[in-house]
Amino acid sequence: DGGITQSPKYLFRKEGQNVTLSCEQNLNHDAMYWYRQDPGQGLRLIYYSQIVNDFQKGDIAEGYSVSREKKESFPLTVTSAQKNPTAFYLCASSMAGRDTGELFFGEGSRLTVL
Amino acid sequence: SQKIEQNSEALNIQEGKTATLTCNYTNYSPAYLQWYRQDPGRGPVFLLLIRENEKEKRKERLKVTFDTTLKQSLFHITASQPADSATYLCALDPAGSARQLTFGSGTQLTVLP
Repeated sequence: DGGITQSPKYLFRKEGQNVTLSCEQNLNHDAMYWYRQDPGQGLRLIYYSQIVNDFQKGDIAEGYSVSREKKESFPLTVTSAQKNPTAFYLCASSMAGRDTGELFFGEGSRLTVL
Repeated sequence: SQKIEQNSEALNIQEGKTATLTCNYTNYSPAYLQWYRQDPGRGPVFLLLIRENEKEKRKERLKVTFDTTLKQSLFHITASQPADSATYLCALDPAGSARQLTFGSGTQLTVLP
């Protein structure tokens, strides 16, 4: 079945450590996204990529980095520079182009900083 | 600044009744509006998309309306069931491009048996 796979589902990190969250999709979608979700707030866009080897900052990119070396993969690194990294992280994909704004989400990764 | 408000954080209704969820926005001119369902600890799932020139959209027991004059969308679930219990998110899109979606914080719906 086609879909988006995020791993790990749960991750614990000590302060000062970088962590990388994995996101893989087999939907053949061009565009991929990373969102952060905090209690009582809407999803906020961290980074997005519309094609391989290209990505753009979203609304809250500080303290995060991404890469897009393959169409299927869009990993997110939460660096030690991110001041409040504990959150639920969601990866999504969509078909590129106008009028195809529907997002397909993964199951999420919950990061807790100890 | 742009603002999206979804009615009350939580809504409880009796099984079989119609649930009505509200999404209001200000300082925004969306071309599209989307609704998603999110279960606890899981990613959102797309339900419906409505365009600015459409007044109403239906899918099985779901109905969405979009009033650009009132700057409001209503999301209805008819003949609600306990399995409909979840958080429902609205998302506004100014240009039909997913990278510009702005999400509301969601309404948690509980359907009581």
